[in-house]
Amino acid sequence: EIQLTQSPSSLSASVGDRVSITCRASQDIGNQLAWIQQKPGKAPKSLIYSASTLQIGVPSKFSGSGSGTDFTLTINSLQPEDFATYYCQQYNGYPRTFGPGTRVDIK
Amino acid sequence: EVSVVESGGGLVQPGGSLRLSCAASGFTFGNHWMSWVRQAPGKGLEWVATIKQDGSEKYYLASVRGRFTVSRDNAKNSLFLQMNSLRAEDTAVYYCARDGRIIPTPNCWGQGTLVTVSS
Repeated sequence: EIQLTQSPSSLSASVGDRVSITCRASQDIGNQLAWIQQKPGKAPKSLIYSASTLQIGVPSKFSGSGSGTDFTLTINSLQPEDFATYYCQQYNGYPRTFGPGTRVDIK
Repeated sequence: EVSVVESGGGLVQPGGSLRLSCAASGFTFGNHWMSWVRQAPGKGLEWVATIKQDGSEKYYLASVRGRFTVSRDNAKNSLFLQMNSLRAEDTAVYYCARDGRIIPTPNCWGQGTLVTVSS
């Protein structure tokens, strides 16, 4: 089973800040990584697939990078609606696994 | 508008059964892999099961294999999750998710249905 770790587990940031979240896989997964946003009490929303491709309708302030075992989600110019928990997910094989999540809240 | 809507959650005793449904609309259901993902209270996301477009391939989380069965009815644009021998640790919000046509990761999520396993 492929394990995913995320860092940091939480962070506090201000409106307008740029933040980055890291996801590390326990083995090479190529670019088969997705990023998912979830706001409290709401359904998840997919942001990025193939490590760096934005889902339709996702603003360009979100960007993803990386391949192999190390990946990064960057959010530019944080806005109030971006405060949420972010998960990475690998789909290189089964079982599909999620990272533990990174909570982004307001400083 | 693309939409998936879950139903069928509720309170069930340990050892009991429940069948979740997911109604899809706004897209060609039979063209997509479909998945179930769950989230226990206060916890992260956990993948549960995935089914191929024609139902010929199914994959399960180890802890539910043999107890849960994923199925679909393409004629009715519906996805199902039959859950038997339920345990307290199965308590969670269960999300139906549509995978991409080519990329096997969700790109559309339902609002979730809560399953509570308790005596």
